[in-house]
Amino acid sequence: AQRVTQPEKLLSVFKGAPVELKCNYSYSGSPELFWYVQYSRQRLQLLLRHISRESIKGFTADLNKGETSFHLKKPFAQEEDSAMYYCALSWGGLTGGGNKLTFGTGTQLKVEL
Amino acid sequence: DGGITQSPKYLFRKEGQNVTLSCEQNLNHDAMYWYRQDPGQGLRLIYYSQIVNDFQKGDIAEGYSVSREKKESFPLTVTSAQKNPTAFYLCASSMEALGYNSPLHFGNGTRLTVT
Repeated sequence: AQRVTQPEKLLSVFKGAPVELKCNYSYSGSPELFWYVQYSRQRLQLLLRHISRESIKGFTADLNKGETSFHLKKPFAQEEDSAMYYCALSWGGLTGGGNKLTFGTGTQLKVEL
Repeated sequence: DGGITQSPKYLFRKEGQNVTLSCEQNLNHDAMYWYRQDPGQGLRLIYYSQIVNDFQKGDIAEGYSVSREKKESFPLTVTSAQKNPTAFYLCASSMEALGYNSPLHFGNGTRLTVT
């Protein structure tokens, strides 16, 4: 069965420090991975997806199939990065019944001055 | 703003009563989803619908029911059979039903409290 693990409930860093939010997955098929973010008093929204290979708000994430990881990184944290971050695995698609997402338990990032 | 609207924002019910949560979208998305969010457990899929008049159970469907009579609407009923109904419920939609991995758009959620 598919599974997403985010080992850190809370990550606290100082402004300007590097950030790495960990995500590991378990899935027998070809994974499609996402990071979603929820800022205070805002709805959950897509941050980035691995297939796009893009940097959003300075964040990047590389899919490492060997380590089954999709860690989210940013070299210099900003105060506005404080939010709840969810890693998600998409599965199903054309082969299996639709576009479904399995989410990790989330990591609360707190950037302190 | 447009997108997905969930109502109400807060809902209080007594134990033993069924309650229906509303979810409407004006994005013309084919697929809609219901998730439940509990502290320390992330988001868990309750039901999803890829197309009108069709829906499938997610990981924790017991005690819930849905309908999809219109493309833009996907109401969730929390029945008295749901053992732990107090939670934050999120509705989402995505453009593609059977296609690959289009991102989800989320509503603002409904916080249900059952006493």
